[in-house]
Amino acid sequence: DTAVSQTPKYLVTQMGNDKSIKCEQNLGHDTMYWYKQDSKKFLKIMFSYNNKELIINETVPNRFSPKSPDKAHLNLHINSLELGDSAVYFCASSHGGSGYTFGSGTRLTVV
Amino acid sequence: AQSVTQLDSQVPVFEEAPVELRCNYSSSVSVYLFWYVQYPNQGLQLLLKYLSGSTLVKGINGFEAEFNKSQTSFHLRKPSVHISDTAEYVCAVSENRDDKIIFGKGTRLHILP
Repeated sequence: DTAVSQTPKYLVTQMGNDKSIKCEQNLGHDTMYWYKQDSKKFLKIMFSYNNKELIINETVPNRFSPKSPDKAHLNLHINSLELGDSAVYFCASSHGGSGYTFGSGTRLTVV
Repeated sequence: AQSVTQLDSQVPVFEEAPVELRCNYSSSVSVYLFWYVQYPNQGLQLLLKYLSGSTLVKGINGFEAEFNKSQTSFHLRKPSVHISDTAEYVCAVSENRDDKIIFGKGTRLHILP
């Protein structure tokens, strides 16, 4: 069983569209994250949720809205997609300093 | 605020040779340190972590890292690399358990036959 699963794995869409990426973890972890990996492979945190509560919200355009219906799920909705949003988005979860467990990523391409 | 520096963006190494990937961090408080590996088109996998205790940490795939507080370093080493070690290696730091992790820019390990 996949510990942290993201869907879809690939997403190609036109500028101006709205899209969502879903993330689910079956590890029982309390904290979940969204990271953005740019073309230079640099990982930057976007959001963090602990038990469905937003605890980290970095400087991210408000077109990005995370939603956590329960502590096992953290979805990312993006409105009015722009070319600069093209990147790989990683979901991760953690519990008690065990280190992060990452999903396999969603490669978003905006054309 | 904490930060992580990986000075080497790429490190070429011959197969079966030893390798050291450098990582330095800055923080005003105690830190937790991590090394992750990212194989092509995959997510990040935890190689090893330092939370407390022994400064020499052993991880998966024969890798180890040493925490040096005076030099604020956490270099990753392997005595003999294989082709399968070709990947991106990312050092990371956090100031609290479950706090956000700050990642370095990564070092691409390129194994030469």
